[in-house]
Amino acid sequence: GENVEQHPSTLSVQEGDSAVIKCTYSDSASNYFPWYKQELGKRPQLIIDIRSNVGEKKDQRIAVTLNKTAKHFSLHITETQPEDSAVYFCAASSPRRSNDYKLSFGAGTTVTVRA
Amino acid sequence: GAGVSQSPRYKVAKRGQDVALRCDPISGHVSLFWYQQALGQGPEFLTYFQNEAQLDKSGLPSDRFFAERPEGSVSTLKIQRTQQEDSAVYLCASSLHRSGTGVYNEQFFGPGTRLTVL
Repeated sequence: GENVEQHPSTLSVQEGDSAVIKCTYSDSASNYFPWYKQELGKRPQLIIDIRSNVGEKKDQRIAVTLNKTAKHFSLHITETQPEDSAVYFCAASSPRRSNDYKLSFGAGTTVTVRA
Repeated sequence: GAGVSQSPRYKVAKRGQDVALRCDPISGHVSLFWYQQALGQGPEFLTYFQNEAQLDKSGLPSDRFFAERPEGSVSTLKIQRTQQEDSAVYLCASSLHRSGTGVYNEQFFGPGTRLTVL
């Protein structure tokens, strides 16, 4: 099955600086890569996703890049703010059957933005 | 509209007890997923339903775990004879995806049920 690795496990940045989180995946058939933000005690919420036919996607201060050849993808947060502090999870989906879109998650990155 | 809801939010069980966790997906969502999230870890897939059909249960850790979605909406995850290693947050997610479209839809997560087995 799919194996997703995520680095770093913790990340502390000064407010206004950028944060980068990197993930690798093992299954070359994976073709959907969402990123979720989870605040303490809350549900995971999708912040951005990318599909394998796209190399980069941006949404305001958040961007995701995908390198299919190297099987890795990254999340970039620019101009970080205190409300960006949370745990971020990358995930990959590699449907072997046409109707199965289960997600394989990384272990998470705890981001702390210092004021 | 209302999001995915789960109940109970917290459950404490004595080892050996049976528990039932409920998930109410977003109305009209075809796909429903259950994940298990251990402390400090990412969610791990348990099982997947498309309408009432359980199409993938490869992530269920043992035959003590059973899930159903009899009418294609509400789902229940049942754990029999709970063990301490079952302690985790159980997350339910739903998505609009319809079969054959080949289009991914966002998975919307519920708040989870935190299960503690003593």
